[in-house]
Amino acid sequence: NAGVTQTPKFRVLKTGQSMTLLCAQDMNHEYMYWYRQDPGMGLRLIHYSVGEGTTAKGEVPDGYNVSRLKKQNFLLGLESAAPSQTSVYFCASSRGQSPGSPLHFGNGTRLTVT
Amino acid sequence: AQTVTQSQPEMSVQEAETVTLSCTYDTSESDYYLFWYKQPPSRQMILVIRQEAYKQQNATENRFSVNFQKAAKSFSLKISDSQLGDAAMYFCAYKVTSGSRLTFGEGTQLTVNP
Repeated sequence: NAGVTQTPKFRVLKTGQSMTLLCAQDMNHEYMYWYRQDPGMGLRLIHYSVGEGTTAKGEVPDGYNVSRLKKQNFLLGLESAAPSQTSVYFCASSRGQSPGSPLHFGNGTRLTVT
Repeated sequence: AQTVTQSQPEMSVQEAETVTLSCTYDTSESDYYLFWYKQPPSRQMILVIRQEAYKQQNATENRFSVNFQKAAKSFSLKISDSQLGDAAMYFCAYKVTSGSRLTFGEGTQLTVNP
């Protein structure tokens, strides 16, 4: 059981380039999330989805877009990368919104924008 | 908006000793959950312990326990008999029971000295 898988694990981009981070979960979870982790700031929610075909903005959505075309996948896109988007990105999923449904996290993607 | 604050960026403890990590939060909600997550150098996010706000009894998981003070909006984590494997970044997190979003604190880096 793979759980939550993020690809790629590492990436270096130049300012202005675009890329897509892929998150895949094999637990049939309804809810999926994208967080970014920066030193001294903890994890901040970028976007999330409460089901296939739905997306919603989190705390820091600017500069990112997401899509949830299939229940098991949640894509995070950067259309024009900026150095401020250098961060570690985490995807997570949960069965439902109840706190009894814990979040399952991927192992993160380290993105550097030069 | 809900906020979570961890005022100790770094803490250290001697192996086999006890350490307490602090967390405070701000909310106008009455029904919520609080969590402590552990992030070792592998970057994996691991749920350590969870507390339901309506329960007065403090949660305990083996060597990990919390001191939940609802009126003071305080949620500290106590690690007893510290082990080298406890060395990690620890995040406090908050979730409204009716919501789908988890809000994290800034994190506390715990070092365990042999």
